[in-house]
Amino acid sequence: GQQVMQIPQYQHVQEGEDFTTYCNSSTTLSNIQWYKQRPGGHPVFLIQLVKSGEVKKQKRLTFQFGEAKKNSSLHITATQTTDVGTYFCAGSYNNNDMRFGAGTRLTVKP
Amino acid sequence: GAGVSQSPSNKVTEKGKDVELRCDPISGHTALYWYRQSLGQGLEFLIYFQGNSAPDKSGLPSDRFSAERTGGSVSTLTIQRTQQEDSAVYLCASSGGGGGETQYFGPGTRLLVL
Repeated sequence: GQQVMQIPQYQHVQEGEDFTTYCNSSTTLSNIQWYKQRPGGHPVFLIQLVKSGEVKKQKRLTFQFGEAKKNSSLHITATQTTDVGTYFCAGSYNNNDMRFGAGTRLTVKP
Repeated sequence: GAGVSQSPSNKVTEKGKDVELRCDPISGHTALYWYRQSLGQGLEFLIYFQGNSAPDKSGLPSDRFSAERTGGSVSTLTIQRTQQEDSAVYLCASSGGGGGETQYFGPGTRLLVL
């Protein structure tokens, strides 16, 4: 069935290092969204990508959507302790079928 | 309201009992989503409402789960004959127009089935 695979499951970095999480779908997505969930909190929407090859930036965060609209990545440059949390991607196949990745839990050592 | 609210915040129930979870979306938001998150796991999409249209219920894990949205606003998620594997945090989110717009999440209802 349709599913979104996300790797890595965990990532521990030193503050100032870069971080990347990847999502991949076996079938073409209509769009992909990214969320961040702080420890003990609820998911917060970060961004949505719709177009093939789309790249969007939010300060130190760079989001990419693959040309085939089957994969996406989130890259954080020079991580800070405030980046700690779990990052989820969510791929949409149609309005009523959205699949979340398992999430990547990021920890940052000061 | 100022944000998405959910009630109760915590619910402990016995196996076999029915539970009802409530979600109040942000005023004016036409889209409403229900998700389930087990401890340390990702988000499982359950169901999506868009305005007054009939939802696609294919994301619900079993026929013990049902959801409705009255008047295009408040939604209730009902779990009948609860099982221990239903224990999770149930999250509700709303957005202005659906179709991938910014989703605002409520604090969730933490359900524990004994």
